Amino acid sequence: NAGVTQTPKFRVLKTGQSMTLLCAQDMNHEYMYWYRQDPGMGLRLIHYSVGEGTTAKGEVPDGYNVSRLKKQNFLLGLESAAPSQTSVYFCASSFSGGPQHFGDGTRLSIL
Amino acid sequence: EDQVTQSPEALRLQEGESSSLNCSYTVSGLRGLFWYRQDPGKGPEFLFTLYSAGEEKEKERLKATLTKKESFLHITAPKPEDSATYLCAVQGNFGNEKLTFGTGTRLTIIP
Repeated sequence: NAGVTQTPKFRVLKTGQSMTLLCAQDMNHEYMYWYRQDPGMGLRLIHYSVGEGTTAKGEVPDGYNVSRLKKQNFLLGLESAAPSQTSVYFCASSFSGGPQHFGDGTRLSIL
Repeated sequence: EDQVTQSPEALRLQEGESSSLNCSYTVSGLRGLFWYRQDPGKGPEFLFTLYSAGEEKEKERLKATLTKKESFLHITAPKPEDSATYLCAVQGNFGNEKLTFGTGTRLTIIP
């Protein structure tokens, strides 16, 4: 069982570029989440999904979009990257809102 | 708004020196309190869920306890491999898909 897999693991972008982060889970979980983790700020929820075809805003959604076309995948998009989006991004999944299981993160730098 | 405060921010212990980490919380009806362990460069790893005051959970050298206002993670006779950042999160009954995380306690066990 791979659990939650995030790709890519590292990425460097220039300001204004766009990219998509991919999250895949093989646990048949309904709920999926995207967080960012910054020093001294803790994990902050960006967007989440409670099932295939659904998405909802979290605490810090501005500048990000998400899609959940398949149950096992949750994509996070940055349309026009800004230096303030430099962070470590974590994807998580859970069964009906219970304990969340995390991937190992994507380290993103925006120059 | 749900809030989680963890203390201390950092803790250094000698191998075998027992101690406790604190997680104070405010939540609009507690659905669950979660403890995670996070190693450098990795995603959070789920440890425990506590649901009601008085509940306790144990795993190896770790024991988590819960009151109506706080949770403690007790570490008994720690070993160097217990070094990590420990995160606490709460899930409220309102908007219960989401977790609110604390900023963590960075624990270092010195051989």
